[in-house]
Amino acid sequence: NAGVTQTPKFRVLKTGQSMTLLCAQDMNHEYMYWYRQDPGMGLRLIHYSVGEGTTAKGEVPDGYNVSRLKKQNFLLGLESAAPSQTSVYFCASRQKVYGYTFGSGTRLTVV
Amino acid sequence: GESVGLHLPTLSVQEGDNSIINCAYSNSASDYFIWYKQESGKGPQFIIDIRSNMDKRQGQRVTVLLNKTVKHLSLQIAATQPGDSAVYFCAESSSGSARQLTFGSGTQLTVLP
Repeated sequence: NAGVTQTPKFRVLKTGQSMTLLCAQDMNHEYMYWYRQDPGMGLRLIHYSVGEGTTAKGEVPDGYNVSRLKKQNFLLGLESAAPSQTSVYFCASRQKVYGYTFGSGTRLTVV
Repeated sequence: GESVGLHLPTLSVQEGDNSIINCAYSNSASDYFIWYKQESGKGPQFIIDIRSNMDKRQGQRVTVLLNKTVKHLSLQIAATQPGDSAVYFCAESSSGSARQLTFGSGTQLTVLP
């Protein structure tokens, strides 16, 4: 049982490039979330999904898009990367009301 | 929007002493609170949680206290060990909006030998 798996673990992008971060969970969880964490700060919610085929904006959605075509996968896209998007990205999933599981993160640097 | 904040950014304690990490929250609608531990290069790790209908909850070496009157949350770690060194975050959520978590900025706990 792998839990929540994020790929890639590290990535360096040039300004203006695009990329997709993948989050996969094998727990059949309904809810999935993408957070970003900047140095010395807590996690901030980018987008989330309450089930397959649904997405919604979180606190800091600008510059990101998401898709949840399959229940087990939640993709985070950056269409035109900016240095301000340099951060560590965490995915989380939840089934029960009170049970979050986090991935190990993707460290993204935009130069 | 409303957010959760922490009183102290850093905390150093001697090994074997008790640690207390504090957190203030501002959303009066929050009904569920979680403490996470985050080690360098890793994702948040669940420590303990508490619902708003409780004032105190104990786990193994950890206790969470909730004071809804002053919107304050604390994490107590008994007999702090070197392995407890990490950043600790409190997070809160409320029913609705898919129970999003709102995180505080974190406290760096350093355990001194």
